[in-house]
Amino acid sequence: KQEVTQIPAALSVPEGENLVLNCSFTDSAIYNLQWFRQDPGKGLTSLLLIQSSQREQTSGRLNASLDKSSGRSTLYIAASQPGDSATYLCAVKGRGTTDSWGKLQFGAGTQVVVTP
Amino acid sequence: KAGVTQTPRYLIKTRGQQVTLSCSPISGHRSVSWYQQTPGQGLQFLFEYFSETQRNKGNFPGRFSGRQFSNSRSEMNVSTLELGDSALYLCASSFPPGADEQFFGPGTRLTVL
Repeated sequence: KQEVTQIPAALSVPEGENLVLNCSFTDSAIYNLQWFRQDPGKGLTSLLLIQSSQREQTSGRLNASLDKSSGRSTLYIAASQPGDSATYLCAVKGRGTTDSWGKLQFGAGTQVVVTP
Repeated sequence: KAGVTQTPRYLIKTRGQQVTLSCSPISGHRSVSWYQQTPGQGLQFLFEYFSETQRNKGNFPGRFSGRQFSNSRSEMNVSTLELGDSALYLCASSFPPGADEQFFGPGTRLTVL
């Protein structure tokens, strides 16, 4: 059964510092991995999608890497700003014949606070 | 292009009642998935619909059901509500189903009293 873990659960950094968020998963049979941002009481905003054949994706100040063989992904946010304060979630979409097939399975998230 | 829309945004119901939530996907998207988010269990997959057919289902009791219409809009129904059904219900759409980016709506906050 796929397990997705995000460490740390919470993180507080001063403005300008780079953020490093970690995501690990136990089953490498995935279609893709997606990073989301969620503001309190709101829906999810897609940040980056990495297909299983890719090693990384970049968008502006965001960069995400994927090491499928070791079951890890890292989201880097450069030069953090107070507006980056939110909960960041990673999710993997399973493939193959397992119970995880076709389903997005989420980690519990990392709550980030960027202080001015 | 308009995003995923969900109605209503907030609902208050009492135990034993039933509820129907609606989701309109991004124009052109044909796959709709539903998720439940609670503080204790996090985000959990409910089901996915494509071309009016349920493609995939999570581990939820039969009280949770859904359907999709020919215009790709989807509804989710929960019968005989329990206190534990209080949650944020999110729907997501993607163009083809499978290995593609999911776009989420703002959610429906359901409170069961």
